[in-house]
Amino acid sequence: RKEVEQDPGPFNVPEGATVAFNCTYSNSASQSFFWYRQDCRKEPKLLMSVYSSGNEDGRFTAQLNRASQYISLLIRDSKLSDSATYLCVVTDDGNKLVFGAGTILRVKS
Amino acid sequence: NAGVTQTPKFRVLKTGQSMTLLCAQDMNHEYMYWYRQDPGMGLRLIHYSVGEGTTAKGEVPDGYNVSRLKKQNFLLGLESAAPSQTSVYFCASTDPGQGLYEQYFGPGTRLTVT
Repeated sequence: RKEVEQDPGPFNVPEGATVAFNCTYSNSASQSFFWYRQDCRKEPKLLMSVYSSGNEDGRFTAQLNRASQYISLLIRDSKLSDSATYLCVVTDDGNKLVFGAGTILRVKS
Repeated sequence: NAGVTQTPKFRVLKTGQSMTLLCAQDMNHEYMYWYRQDPGMGLRLIHYSVGEGTTAKGEVPDGYNVSRLKKQNFLLGLESAAPSQTSVYFCASTDPGQGLYEQYFGPGTRLTVT
């Protein structure tokens, strides 16, 4: 079983749609959680951290359920520029990050 | 600031050849990492370093060696390249004093081994 599992997609949505991505992780010792964004043929970049209380950054909302070991990302009012691969990332019990394989989002006009 | 830079950007090797990938960062970060990214696999950690002169193995270290002689540089070596090492290689760095977890990535090196 992979440590971090994501639906690979692709999710094809029209502009203005709301889309949600889910992620599950297997290491109950993980303490920190993140969503990274990766554009085609580019490096990953941090999108947002995920807190137990949930957090929002503009059109993006992240949620964490520690009991179910489940993380989500909600994007409202999708823009063409949101098209990318979204990586779910958790910490291991040391100095390292563990990356999911990513979910591809394609926003179409 | 240039952030994290990687050299070269592209390379084609024949099986059995050797090469070194260079990663440099100008953010004075303590921690540096080498990953490889393959389709459907996500990023997998090859080796990492938590300070100058230290290195440690990650998830997929076989066939690779690393060195961190200077704080700003982290080198990844392939002694005898194999087709299975065809991949995109990313270097990243972070500062544990800032919470450790926002890793800054270089633009990647696309390596093909024929």
